[in-house]
Amino acid sequence: GAVVSQHPSWVICKSGTSVKIECRSLDFQATTMFWYRQFPKQSLMLMATSNEGSKATYEQGVEKDKFLINHASLTLSTLTVTSAHPEDSSFYICSARDLGTSYNEQFFGPGTRLTVL
Amino acid sequence: GQNIDQPTEMTATEGAIVQINCTYQTSGFNGLFWYQQHAGEAPTFLSYNVLDGLEEKGRFSSFLSRSKGYSYLLLKELQMKDSASYLCAVVDSNYQLIWGAGTKLIIKP
Repeated sequence: GAVVSQHPSWVICKSGTSVKIECRSLDFQATTMFWYRQFPKQSLMLMATSNEGSKATYEQGVEKDKFLINHASLTLSTLTVTSAHPEDSSFYICSARDLGTSYNEQFFGPGTRLTVL
Repeated sequence: GQNIDQPTEMTATEGAIVQINCTYQTSGFNGLFWYQQHAGEAPTFLSYNVLDGLEEKGRFSSFLSRSKGYSYLLLKELQMKDSASYLCAVVDSNYQLIWGAGTKLIIKP
């Protein structure tokens, strides 16, 4: 159980375009989902915390108008990178917290590798 | 501020034992996770400690001392596939995960 999927697995786009990444919890409900970014050889960096039915909470330094997050249901959150630029090229990973667990484990999606040309 | 410290890189030999340490200073404590991450992949769960002591799970064990702000991950009978980054993460008082930078473990034959 506790499977999180992400789509797409990888995407290549031109500079200036927008890219949407989906994160789904397949077999559990997740009121909270997290979006991370990871540059090569670096650790995970939390971008924002997404709560179902409310606005996302962004970490310091993350532009909320550039990284649009929508968490419309208990099983789906989306991250849209607007007007992407080469410096946005990174590995984007979502995770979800399972309401049913007694501790605070986050289950990770497989990640989306974004390359902006 | 909140801080998680773990070594940047460690090298060990196939079949041996390695201990990866993690020290933390956070606002509150609601548990500590260890995750394994292979290059180009998302992290996968290894262990969770919220009480002091040792948790053993097959070849992997995790230890926690809350009074010392210290944890370690012990890997026994190392295999080449254990070459990966190992991430220590602490759940703070706001139930947010605070991540360490990860320890890259290199296994040599």
